Amino acid sequence: GENVEQHPSTLSVQEGDSAVIKCTYSDSASNYFPWYKQELGKRPQLIIDIRSNVGEKKDQRIAVTLNKTAKHFSLHITETQPEDSAVYFCAASYNFNKFYFGSGTKLNVKP
Amino acid sequence: DAGVIQSPRHEVTEMGQEVTLRCKPISGHNSLFWYRQTMMRGLELLIYFNNNVPIDDSGMPEDRFSAKMPNASFSTLKIQPSEPRDSAVYFCASSSRGRSTGELFFGEGSRLTVL
Repeated sequence: GENVEQHPSTLSVQEGDSAVIKCTYSDSASNYFPWYKQELGKRPQLIIDIRSNVGEKKDQRIAVTLNKTAKHFSLHITETQPEDSAVYFCAASYNFNKFYFGSGTKLNVKP
Repeated sequence: DAGVIQSPRHEVTEMGQEVTLRCKPISGHNSLFWYRQTMMRGLELLIYFNNNVPIDDSGMPEDRFSAKMPNASFSTLKIQPSEPRDSAVYFCASSSRGRSTGELFFGEGSRLTVL
């Protein structure tokens, strides 16, 4: 089955700096890669996703890049704000079937 | 839409007791997933259904766990007998695979504590 690895496990940045979280996957058949944000005590919520036919996608301060050859994808958050502090999960899926999640990255944005 | 609804939100029980967690997916969604979240193991997929049919239950830890989806609007996850190591947050999520996006929508979760 699919194996998704996520790094780093914790990330601390100063407000206004950028944050990058990286994930790798093992199954070349995976074609959908969502990122979820989970605030303390809350449910995971989708923040951005990318499909395998696209190399990059942006939505305001967040962007995701995908390298199919290397089987890795990354989340980029620019101009970080304290409200970006949360745990971020990457995931991989084939045709929206089983979603395999990374282990999560706890992002702390210091004011 | 009210989103994915789970109950109970919190459950504290003693080892050996039966636990039943409930989920109502978003209306019109045809896929339903049960995940377990712990600090040690992160988000683990336990089982998922497509059109009410269990497709893959390879993540179910052992025979103590069972899940059903009798209709498109209701699913249960049962643990019998429960053990302290079952303590976790259990999330139900649903998605609509027939549309252009298969975004997973999560419920608020059921926090289970087994003493």
